[in-house]
Amino acid sequence: NAGVTQTPKFRILKIGQSMTLQCTQDMNHNYMYWYRQDPGMGLKLIYYSVGAGITDKGEVPNGYNVSRSTTEDFPLRLELAAPSQTSVYFCASLRTADSYEQYFGPGTRLTVT
Amino acid sequence: GESVGLHLPTLSVQEGDNSIINCAYSNSASDYFIWYKQESGKGPQFIIDIRSNMDKRQGQRVTVLLNKTVKHLSLQIAATQPGDSAVYFCAENTGGFKTIFGAGTRLFVKA
Repeated sequence: NAGVTQTPKFRILKIGQSMTLQCTQDMNHNYMYWYRQDPGMGLKLIYYSVGAGITDKGEVPNGYNVSRSTTEDFPLRLELAAPSQTSVYFCASLRTADSYEQYFGPGTRLTVT
Repeated sequence: GESVGLHLPTLSVQEGDNSIINCAYSNSASDYFIWYKQESGKGPQFIIDIRSNMDKRQGQRVTVLLNKTVKHLSLQIAATQPGDSAVYFCAENTGGFKTIFGAGTRLFVKA
């Protein structure tokens, strides 16, 4: 199993541009998450999904959108990039409903200038 | 509101000593608490978790203690090794699969 994969690894965007961060997991996990991590800080939950077709907002959803058309994929969309969205983005998946062992991807480092 | 905080931003220990990383939480409805380790440039890695109906859980060289009276969580690492150098996060789950992370404690292991 490849686990949780994220693309791209790095990206520089200009203010106002849009992009999609890709996340795929091959472990057949129902639950998937998007977090952002600012320098020296913890992880803030952006959106999460409990299964295909179901998504919900986390702590900091403004400026982002998600979709979950399949169990495997959970893309994160930035429509109008702002400097405040400069961060490292992590995708994660959760094994089962009775476990809180989240598996994290390697992250996408995004800079908005 | 929900929050998870840490008492110390950095912790320096001698190799071979035991490490204790502390965490305070504020949401008494949280049903699960989790510790993660994050090495530089990588995503967090699960270490151990504990349900709210327990007060202690042990893993390999790690022990998590939960004190619900004072809303305090700690991670104890026995015989700390250089490979344990990382940032450690505590996190809590309120039962809706929404996991809230704290700011983290950076552990330095001195040889």
